[in-house]
Amino acid sequence: EIVLTQSPATLSLSPGERATLSCRASQSVSSYLAWYQQKPGQAPRLLIYDASNRATGIPARFSGSGSGTDFTLTISSLEPEDFAVYYCQQRSNWLFGQGTRLEIK
Amino acid sequence: EVQLVESGGVVVQPGGSLRLSCAASGFTFDDYTMHWVRQAPGKGLEWVSLISWDGGSTYYADSVKGRFTISRDNSKNSLYLQMNSLRTEDTALYYCAKWDDVDPGLDYWGQGTLVTVSS
Repeated sequence: EIVLTQSPATLSLSPGERATLSCRASQSVSSYLAWYQQKPGQAPRLLIYDASNRATGIPARFSGSGSGTDFTLTISSLEPEDFAVYYCQQRSNWLFGQGTRLEIK
Repeated sequence: EVQLVESGGVVVQPGGSLRLSCAASGFTFDDYTMHWVRQAPGKGLEWVSLISWDGGSTYYADSVKGRFTISRDNSKNSLYLQMNSLRTEDTALYYCAKWDDVDPGLDYWGQGTLVTVSS
């Protein structure tokens, strides 16, 4: 089964800084990878689909890249509302990565 | 406006059974694949199951295979999860979510229903 490993587990940054989150698959998932954001007490929100496409209403500061086994979610300049947990998910067996917590430094 | 409203979460003893429901509105329910995703307290997201638009295809996570059954009633715009032989590790907030085939991802989620398995 395909396993997704996210790194780092926790990322501490300040507003205005650039965030780079990684998701690595145990075998190729082509570009079939999505990213979600979850804030405390809320359901997850779809950010990116098919590795690099922003979902409806997602700000341009969010971008995704990668294919095969290595993927990156980049937030170009952090806003206060971006501090949350981020998950990747592939659609070969639908499993999620374990998440990266983005916290305020 | 798309709405997904889960219900049925309660406290149940290990070995017990439970059926969760998800009422959908604001979209053509029978056009879409639907998923269940759960989240144990303080933990990450765990994919549980999916069902195709017509109920003809279903898939399950290994952790629930043989114990959980996903189903839908398109005439009632409703999704279900029958949970049998419940274990303490099934304790979680259970979300239903809609899959978008055009922009592939879980684009709408409910607020979840809490299942607690405890003696």
